[in-house]
Formats: sequence, C-alpha cells, structure tokens
Amino acid sequence: AQSVAQPEDQVNVAEGNPLTVKCTYSVSGNPYLFWYVQYPNRGLQFLLKYITGDNLVKGSYGFEAEFNKSQTSFHLKKPSALVSDSALYFCAVRVGRGNQGGKLIFGQGTELSVKP
Amino acid sequence: NAGVTQTPKFRVLKTGQSMTLLCAQDMNHEYMYWYRQDPGMGLRLIHYSVGEGTTAKGEVPDGYNVSRLKKQNFLLGLESAAPSQTSVYFCASSYGGHREYTGELFFGEGSRLTVL
Repeated sequence: AQSVAQPEDQVNVAEGNPLTVKCTYSVSGNPYLFWYVQYPNRGLQFLLKYITGDNLVKGSYGFEAEFNKSQTSFHLKKPSALVSDSALYFCAVRVGRGNQGGKLIFGQGTELSVKP
Repeated sequence: NAGVTQTPKFRVLKTGQSMTLLCAQDMNHEYMYWYRQDPGMGLRLIHYSVGEGTTAKGEVPDGYNVSRLKKQNFLLGLESAAPSQTSVYFCASSYGGHREYTGELFFGEGSRLTVL
C-alpha cells in the first residue's frame, strides 16, 4: 500500500538551532514528494517538492529537504530555526498518474515548536 | 485574486441534518479535491474531480456526495450528518490534465463542521 509516515508528532527546537522534521514514504515507482505547512486556523501552504534531479531541494522560507531513495525518506530541514516557523508540517506523496487526478496522500503531521 | 474560497467557515448541525459546503477557485484549475482533517490523522481525501462534470471517490467517501457542475466550483454535501463527520474540511485545487502535472495543491482556509 502507498503511504507516508511522519514518525514524530512533535519536534521542539530552540531558536537559531537547526531543525529536522522526518518523513518516510512507501510508493511504487518514482515518488513525487511534497512538504506543506499549516499555521493555526489556516489552510495548508506549499513549501517545496521533489520530482527528479538533485536530491537536495530548496523551498520557501529557507526550508530544504533531502530525498534519500535507499532509505525512502524525505526529511525537511532548516539550518537556523525561527520562532515564526512554529506550525504543523505535512509530508505528502503523489499517487496516480498526473493526467488521472494525481492525488496526494498526506502524513499525519508533525507539530514544530520553536522556543526563543 | 482570491485563490480558493470555502463557505461557510463554521457550521453546527444536528445529527440527521443535511448541508452543502461550497468551494470556489478563480485560478482556472482542472483538478479539485475535498479533504477532511482530524487530529493525529492528517488529511484524508474524501472525493475529487479531474474536470467539469466529473467526480471520483477518495479514501473516505462514505456519507458524502459531491458535484462539479461548473469548472470553478466543487460542492461537498452531507445528506444525513453524523457526529463522526465532525471535522475540518479543506478544499484544494491544482493544475492538471497532463503528464507533467506535479501535484502541487492550493488550499482554502477550511470549514469547521460540528455535528451534535
């Protein structure tokens, strides 16, 4: 079965420290992988995606993610966390062909808390 | 440019009542989706549409119906609401209809539904 897992419900980081939010996936074929962020009482916003090419993908707000095919992982990273990065983060994988709906399956989400 | 707009934003229903959530997008997107978000479960796909006049079932379609009579609108209906349908509902849209489609979604702000 195709799935996405985020093993940590919550990640706590001090401001200025690096952060990592973990994601692993299980999908047949080459994966299309995404990270989204949700601020309180808001919809999800796109952060970055991996389709093909360089394993290190850069996205919005200084975030980046590393695709590791052998470990089937797509961890989200940022070199220096900000208090304003505190939010709920979702990893997602596309299933199905692009011209047949291209649905996203989401992980359960990881709450990131950055303390001053 | 409003993006994806959901109405209503909040609604309280009694068990057995019916209601319709409206999603409107002004980006001329082909694909539209309805997700529900529940704590610890991430987002789960209810129904989706790959174009005007089409609908398809997602992961959790039971108890819901949808219609896409116009390209810009996607309606989600609950014919007989149950307490298990208490959730936050998100509509999303995306470019689509071609093999290069990568799956990036644009989300509305959400509709919080409580069924008593």
